[in-house]
Formats: sequence, structure tokens, C-alpha cells
Amino acid sequence: AQSVTQLGSHVSVSEGALVLLRCNYSSSVPPYLFWYVQYPNQGLQLLLKYTTGATLVKGINGFEAEFKKSETSFHLTKPSAHMSDAAEYFCAVSVSSGNQFYFGTGTSLTVIP
Amino acid sequence: DAGITQSPRHKVTETGTPVTLRCHQTENHRYMYWYRQDPGHGLRLIHYSYGVKDTDKGEVSDGYSVSRSKTEDFLLTLESATSSQTSVYFCAISWTDTDTQYFGPGTRLTVL
Repeated sequence: AQSVTQLGSHVSVSEGALVLLRCNYSSSVPPYLFWYVQYPNQGLQLLLKYTTGATLVKGINGFEAEFKKSETSFHLTKPSAHMSDAAEYFCAVSVSSGNQFYFGTGTSLTVIP
Repeated sequence: DAGITQSPRHKVTETGTPVTLRCHQTENHRYMYWYRQDPGHGLRLIHYSYGVKDTDKGEVSDGYSVSRSKTEDFLLTLESATSSQTSVYFCAISWTDTDTQYFGPGTRLTVL
């Protein structure tokens, strides 16, 4: 079975500081990995995804994530936080042999001016 | 944004009443999903569909049923709503079971 763990339900960073949101997954087969962002009172939007190939994936709004198979991780980073980055972030995993997505419980990012 | 709409966007109902939520897409995606979002639980899959009249249960399907008679519409029904079903419900669509899911704007349901 697949699962996703997001470490830290709340993360606060200062504006201009590095953003690091952690995601670890459990999967017995090669996974597809996703990061979504949710702004207040809105649905989820795709930030980036990893399927195959290059392990460093670049997404929208300056975010990127690196797939590390040995660590079963897919952490999300952004070099410099902006006030508009304040939102809820969800990591998700799916596998080709399955028929479902598995979402983490989310990390709420606060950006302090 | 993928063309996904949900109706109603907000609903308040009483315990024991039936409720139907509608998800409509204009993208012709094969897969459609219903999730509920609750604090501390993230998104949990209720039911999904992999084609017209083809549906399957998700993680939290008890108390919910679904129907898909057309590619573009996926209905979620609470036969007899309970207070534990107060939540925000999201519909999502995708081309394949592993591909990116695109989400609708959500329906906030309150069961009193």
C-alpha cells in the first residue's frame, strides 16, 4: 500500500527565507509524486510533479522538488519566500499498478513579513 | 484551469435528509473523483469513477453513493446526511489513474 507523510503540519518562515516542506512516501513500486497548493477557499492547484526522468523537478511560482529514491522523499523547496506563498501544501503519490491517489495531511505555510 | 464546476457551492441541511452534490466537467477526462477535506485529515477519497457507469469505493465510502451516467457528470449522494458528513467536498478529474488530478472549487456542506 502507498502512503504519504508530511512532516510538520505548520511551518513559518520569514519573507525572503528558504522554504522547505517535507514529504516522505511509502511505495513498493516506482511512484508518481505531486505537490499541490491550496489557497483559502479554493481547490487544489498543481505545483509540480515527478513521473520519470530528471529527479529535480521545477514547478510554478519558483518552487522545485527533488525525488530521492534512497530516502523515499520528495521535499518541496523555494529559495526565497514571498507573502503570496502563504497557503496549504499537499504532497501526493500514485502508482501505475494502483488506481488511487494518496494525499498527505497537508502543511500550512505562514510567511512572516 | 480545467473546466470543472461543482454545485451547489454551499449547502446547509438537516440530519437525516438526502443530499446530492454535482460535479460537471467539460474536459472529457475519463477519471473523476470525490474527496472530502477535514482539518487534520487532508483529503480523503470517497469514491471514484473510471468511466460511465464504472465506479469504485475509496477510503471513506460509508454513507455515500455515486453515479455517473454521462462522461461529464459525477454525482455524490448522501442518502441520509449525518453531522459527521459536515465537510468540504472536492471533485477532481484526470486522464489516467496516475496522471495529474485537476480540482473543482469545492462544496462546503454543513449538516445540522
